[in-house]
Amino acid sequence: EPEVTQTPSHQVTQMGQEVILRCVPISNHLYFYWYRQILGQKVEFLVSFYNNEISEKSEIFDDQFSVERPDGSNFTLKIRSTKLEDSAMYFCASSPTGSLKNIQYFGAGTRLSVL
Amino acid sequence: QKEVEQDPGPLSVPEGAIVSLNCTYSNSAFQYFMWYRQYSRKGPELLMYTYSSGNKEDGRFTAQVDKSSKYISLFIRDSQPSDSATYLCAMSAMGGGSNYKLTFGKGTLLTVNP
Repeated sequence: EPEVTQTPSHQVTQMGQEVILRCVPISNHLYFYWYRQILGQKVEFLVSFYNNEISEKSEIFDDQFSVERPDGSNFTLKIRSTKLEDSAMYFCASSPTGSLKNIQYFGAGTRLSVL
Repeated sequence: QKEVEQDPGPLSVPEGAIVSLNCTYSNSAFQYFMWYRQYSRKGPELLMYTYSSGNKEDGRFTAQVDKSSKYISLFIRDSQPSDSATYLCAMSAMGGGSNYKLTFGKGTLLTVNP
């Protein structure tokens, strides 16, 4: 069964460093998302991406964050200068076109630990 | 009022019990309603989705949506220890342009005891 793949599964970084989280969405999906989940809290929307541009972003997604689809398969989230409060699970999701575009499939996540 | 509210539990039931999980919401624009299952430190796994009001059944799982009350439910029949997980409700509006972001509940932690 097709799945969303995320790498790495765990990323440890020092405060102020840049990190790139990688995702390979399901191959025929065209809508891509990033969410995060701080330990013990809700899954929160960060950004949605379609047709090579951001379609919506949350208040969390400030200038420190950026997304990119560098090729036909990868979708990345970059945090330019990490803060302690960026420590969380980051989930990539994708959804197909047509009547199922609201239905999102999630990857296993990247656990980001900022020290 | 929070956009999506979900009792975090924890909920502990014996094997074979019927489990009822619920969420309420305040945003009347929500049209798509999803239930995800999440194991500890893993990604949300899609269980079921429903568009607008009504019921949907898939094996031991039944999802119900009552838009007039802004209330959704997931029922699990003949619960199994393998059903032990956190259950997340999530919702989205129809989406303007290309946005279909999900708004999640906090999740209910379910334990099914053998």
